[in-house]
This record gives sequence, C-alpha cells and structure tokens, in this order.
Amino acid sequence: NAGVTQTPKFQVLKTGQSMTLQCAQDMNHEYMSWYRQDPGMGLRLIHYSVGAGITDQGEVPNGYNVSRSTTEDFPLRLLSAAPSQTSVYFCASSPLYEQYFGPGTRLTVT
Amino acid sequence: DAKTTQPPSMDCAEGRAANLPCNHSTISGNEYVYWYRQIHSQGPQYIIHGLKNNETNEMASLIITEDRKSSTLILPHATLRDTAVYYCIVRANRDDKIIFGKGTRLHILP
Repeated sequence: NAGVTQTPKFQVLKTGQSMTLQCAQDMNHEYMSWYRQDPGMGLRLIHYSVGAGITDQGEVPNGYNVSRSTTEDFPLRLLSAAPSQTSVYFCASSPLYEQYFGPGTRLTVT
Repeated sequence: DAKTTQPPSMDCAEGRAANLPCNHSTISGNEYVYWYRQIHSQGPQYIIHGLKNNETNEMASLIITEDRKSSTLILPHATLRDTAVYYCIVRANRDDKIIFGKGTRLHILP
C-alpha cells in the first residue's frame, strides 16, 4: 500500500490564482479529511468526507472547495488564492479509529 | 473548538517515563480519547485510543480516569526521537469530525 499520497509537495501561487491539491489513498478508507497548519500552530480542519458523495465543512472552510467522487480521491480546490492561505496542507484518511496522514503540501501564496 | 485541554509544553529526561496529561471534562459517554503526535513538520502519527479502560500498545499506555474527565498518555522509556507535539482528541464515532487542539510540546532532555 502507498498509504496517503499528496501532490504536489511544494507550490507557489500568485494571489487570485486557483489550483487543486490532490490527495489519494489506496486503503479503501471511507473517512478522509483536509487540514491546514500555519507556522507554529496546530492543525485546523478544513473539510472532511465520510464517504463517496458526502462532504462537510470543518473549522476553516472558507476559500476552499472539495468533492468526493470516488473512495480513493479527495481533492482540495483553492478558488482564488490569498496570502492568508499560505500554509502546509495535510490530507488524512481513516478506516474506523486511527487517521493516517499524508506527507503534506507546502503552499506559498504571494 | 477542541474539547480537550493540555499543557503547552513539558520536559522529560531521556530514559524516564513521560506522562502527558489531558483534560476532557465535557466528554460524552460515547466519545473515545485519541492521542496523536507530530514530529517536526511531518504529518501527525496515531498513537493510541481508548473509551474507558486503560490501553497499552507497543508505543504507549493510555490511562483514563474512572470519571473519564481526564487521561494520561505514558511513554514508558522516552528517547530523543519522542520529541514532538502530542495531541489529545475526543471523538464519538467514525463519522465524527476530528478536531486538533494546540497539543503539548514534549522536549526530551539528554
């Protein structure tokens, strides 16, 4: 199993640009989630999904969209990037109890 | 908001047991207590979880008080590699969102 994979590892965007952060898992987990982590801070939940076709908002959903068309993939879309979205983004999946995290995407918006 | 309270930082001598406390005084009867840790800038790593009984695995032990309002994560023989931020989380079931608080930064002293 590859576990949870995230692409890209690093990305620089200009203000106003849009992009999609990719997240995939090959463990057939129903639950997936996206977090952001700002420097020196804890993780904040952006969006989560309890299965294909079902998504819900977390603590900080504004400026982000998600969809879950398959069990494996859970992409995160930034609609119009802002400097406040500069952060490290982690995707995670969970079978029942524990969550498995990807390596993260480091995003800088200038 | 996170439902748990943890000290912001703790020190522990290498080779000694590290005891990390967590307060979850508003925990519901069906909520589990989870512990994760994050080493440097990596994705968080699941450690252990429990409902009301004490639990032990190859990484740590979890002691939950009888009234379930607090718990302690015990790393029996701390090493320098255990230096990390440790997060205590409560969560009811598989479909419940997972909210991280600020965690405890554990420093292992050589």
